[in-house]
Amino acid sequence: AQSVTQLDSHVSVSEGTPVLLRCNYSSSYSPSLFWYVQHPNKGLQLLLKYTSAATLVKGINGFEAEFKKSETSFHLTKPSAHMSDAAEYFCVATSGTYKYIFGTGTRLKVLA
Amino acid sequence: SQTIHQWPATLVQPVGSPLSLECTVEGTSNPNLYWYRQAAGRGLQLLFYSVGIGQISSEVPQNLSASRPQDRQFILSSKKLLLSDSGFYLCAWDRSRTSGRAGRDEQFFGPGTRLTVL
Repeated sequence: AQSVTQLDSHVSVSEGTPVLLRCNYSSSYSPSLFWYVQHPNKGLQLLLKYTSAATLVKGINGFEAEFKKSETSFHLTKPSAHMSDAAEYFCVATSGTYKYIFGTGTRLKVLA
Repeated sequence: SQTIHQWPATLVQPVGSPLSLECTVEGTSNPNLYWYRQAAGRGLQLLFYSVGIGQISSEVPQNLSASRPQDRQFILSSKKLLLSDSGFYLCAWDRSRTSGRAGRDEQFFGPGTRLTVL
């Protein structure tokens, strides 16, 4: 069965320190992978996407992610956290159908 | 550019009352449309998706229904709300059908509707 696992439900970092949000996927085919960010009571905004081109993907707001097929991972990183990065982040995979596979989310807290 | 609208933004309804949430997309044609529900502290649950006018697929059997009367309009309804229907409802679209990349392109989400059933 296809699945997306976000390994941490909560992550806390200090402002100015690196961010790492982990995502592993399980799929019988080569999925497209996405990271979305959701601020409270808002919709999901696309941060970046991997669609079988370059394995290192750069997104908005300084975020990037690396697709590692051997590890079935698509971790999200940012060199320096900003207070405005505090939000919930979702890793999402396509399934080859109209259904998308969502992770359960990681809530990022940024400490001053 | 494409935009997606949802209304209302917030709604408080008594148990047993009807529901109608609307979603419209601008700037594209023939989108796939989706309704999701997000319960507090949980991920997204796909409720319905539609690949064309009048074509609705239901993912979760429940007291909700969806309709697509126009190409870029998607409506979520209920005849009688339950307490468990409370949550954050998100509409989304993607262009996989017209791009030929079925199930490979990103989805675009609306701003959401916060529904509280009392």
